[in-house]
Amino acid sequence: EVQLVESGGGLVKPGGSLRLSCAAPGFTLSNDWMSWVRQAPGKGLEWVGRIKSKTDGATTDYAAPVKGRFTISRDDSKNTLYLQMNSLKTEDTAVYYCTKDGFVSSLFDYYYYGMDVWGQGTTVTVSS
Amino acid sequence: QPVLTQPPSASGTPGQRVTISCSGSSSNVGGNLVNWYQQLPGTAPKLLIYSNNQRPSGVPDRFSGSKSGTTASLAISGLQSEDEADYFCAAWDDSLNGWVFGGGTKLTVL
Repeated sequence: EVQLVESGGGLVKPGGSLRLSCAAPGFTLSNDWMSWVRQAPGKGLEWVGRIKSKTDGATTDYAAPVKGRFTISRDDSKNTLYLQMNSLKTEDTAVYYCTKDGFVSSLFDYYYYGMDVWGQGTTVTVSS
Repeated sequence: QPVLTQPPSASGTPGQRVTISCSGSSSNVGGNLVNWYQQLPGTAPKLLIYSNNQRPSGVPDRFSGSKSGTTASLAISGLQSEDEADYFCAAWDDSLNGWVFGGGTKLTVL
């Protein structure tokens, strides 16, 4: 089964920037839709955003709290997903997970069902 | 504040059946498919149920999902100590154009 490995987390000051990466060693992600989900300390899960495959236009969707500050991109030649985070706020402190999203594909059915395989997460701390 | 509403906690004894609810609206649970995720302590979430009631391969059939109107439910039968975890529901929200989650339910096996 595919394994996702996030990296790039760390400590950053408010207003700063950070870029997270997500790789899948040995697997090709070019046909997959991918998402980022975060979890603040002791809190629940919060969807950050999603990028579709290049075949589907590589279009992106974002949650309201991060729209305009975060950018999701993909480099299929490197088999890597990115999350560029700018203008960071203390409330962005969280563990960030990348996910490989799933589709049901059969003779009679084809539909998207969302976050399927999850990485182990990378921790982002925004603090002065 | 989470868009979907789950009870913060649930509990049961080994062998019992427990149910966790997830309440939403017509723009999310009522109109779209619901997933359930299990998060064991200190680990990443894992997909438990997708498309309301489908189990990924490897998930025991003790776990089942259902949906009626704007409420989805996760049932766990034959409760085991290793089921102690946080459980989250999720659905696409047409109004927000994004995925929304429940606040999570902490399941304790007594």
